[in-house]
Amino acid sequence: QQPVQSPQAVILREGEDAVINCSSSKALYSVHWYRQKHGEAPVFLMILLKGGEQKGHEKISASFNEKKQQSSLYLTASQLSYSGTYFCGTPDSNYQLIWGAGTKLIIKP
Amino acid sequence: DAGITQSPRYKITETGRQVTLMCHQTWSHSYMFWYRQDLGHGLRLIYYSAAADITDKGEVPDGYVVSRSKTENFPLTLESATRSQTSVYFCASSEGTGAPNQPQHFGDGTRLSIL
Repeated sequence: QQPVQSPQAVILREGEDAVINCSSSKALYSVHWYRQKHGEAPVFLMILLKGGEQKGHEKISASFNEKKQQSSLYLTASQLSYSGTYFCGTPDSNYQLIWGAGTKLIIKP
Repeated sequence: DAGITQSPRYKITETGRQVTLMCHQTWSHSYMFWYRQDLGHGLRLIYYSAAADITDKGEVPDGYVVSRSKTENFPLTLESATRSQTSVYFCASSEGTGAPNQPQHFGDGTRLSIL
């Protein structure tokens, strides 16, 4: 079942902070986060694993709450380059990723 | 340069025609994936492959065929294209043994329009 992302879209001024959430109705083994700029391919940001291990981006942080079956991506002191659509992906029963519908982030100067 | 490349980048074809989208990776990653991306649906998995000669259906496999005779290539064929298959198609690859704890690396996509 597709994870639910919120909000669907957010508009920020450069330097402001944003939080993007990803919730699942199933128990989570891991959560992947990717960013996609318009007309481009998705780019890997981070993987959060059960047990607290993280792999990924140095300037972006995230949390993974196994009990609540959700993850949050924290973008602090946002830069223009952070603009894009953020997707989370969670494993299905075959260990393949099911993706959320995305959160569109617009950063204005 | 190492990476994952898709061809063609753009394709226009007519309903009923067969069309093949190509995907090639130079990392020797074991896993390869085909996704389609439509507005409002995010990415949906069509087929995936764990190794050469091993392929499995994803969420939306109907109307598509894949093969993987070599580790580096994973072509996707629409046997008889329909307008509902108009979409952006992404190929991706990853290392890994099956558990999704490795990042996926995406190609630049193929924008397919079926008239």
